[in-house]
Amino acid sequence: GAVVSQHPSWVICKSGTSVKIECRSLDFQATTMFWYRQFPKQSLMLMATSNEGSKATYEQGVEKDKFLINHASLTLSTLTVTSAHPEDSSFYICSAVLAGGPGTDTQYFGPGTRLTVL
Amino acid sequence: GEDVEQSLFLSVREGDSSVINCTYTDSSSTYLYWYKQEPGAGLQLLTYIFSNMDMKQDQRLTVLLNKKDKHLSLRIADTQTGDSAIYFCAETPGGAGSYQLTFGKGTKLSVIP
Repeated sequence: GAVVSQHPSWVICKSGTSVKIECRSLDFQATTMFWYRQFPKQSLMLMATSNEGSKATYEQGVEKDKFLINHASLTLSTLTVTSAHPEDSSFYICSAVLAGGPGTDTQYFGPGTRLTVL
Repeated sequence: GEDVEQSLFLSVREGDSSVINCTYTDSSSTYLYWYKQEPGAGLQLLTYIFSNMDMKQDQRLTVLLNKKDKHLSLRIADTQTGDSAIYFCAETPGGAGSYQLTFGKGTKLSVIP
């Protein structure tokens, strides 16, 4: 149980295009999902908290107009990187909160999406 | 402030025990977690410990918590090549009911056959 999927697993796009990444909780409902960014050989950096039915909360320094988050249902959150540039190339990981799971409100992580912007 | 520290690298021989250490700063953390990340993959929850516990054992994994020193360790018994990965320690700095995690930079475990 507590499986989180991401789609696509990797994407290559041209500079200036927009890319949408989906995060789904497959066997549980998640009112809260998180989006992280991970640079090579570094830890995860929290970008934003996605709450179902409300606006996302962005961490300091993260441009909300560039990284659009939509949490339209209890099992789906999307991250859209708008007008992507090479510096946006990174590994994007989402997590979904299982309410009442082991450790109470544990985050379960998706497999990540590798974005490469040419 | 919120800060989680881990050593960056650990190398052990197959069959030996591995001990990965972590220090954290927020005494209000309710749960402390260990996650495993294999190359090119997301994070897999390995185990967690509640802040009022000293030790937790789960098959080959043993978690020790010294709350006074804010020190957490993960011991992997009989380490296998499949255990090679990056291990992240994480705390919940917001205390009870907080979802947010603060991660350490990760310890890369290399298992030598």
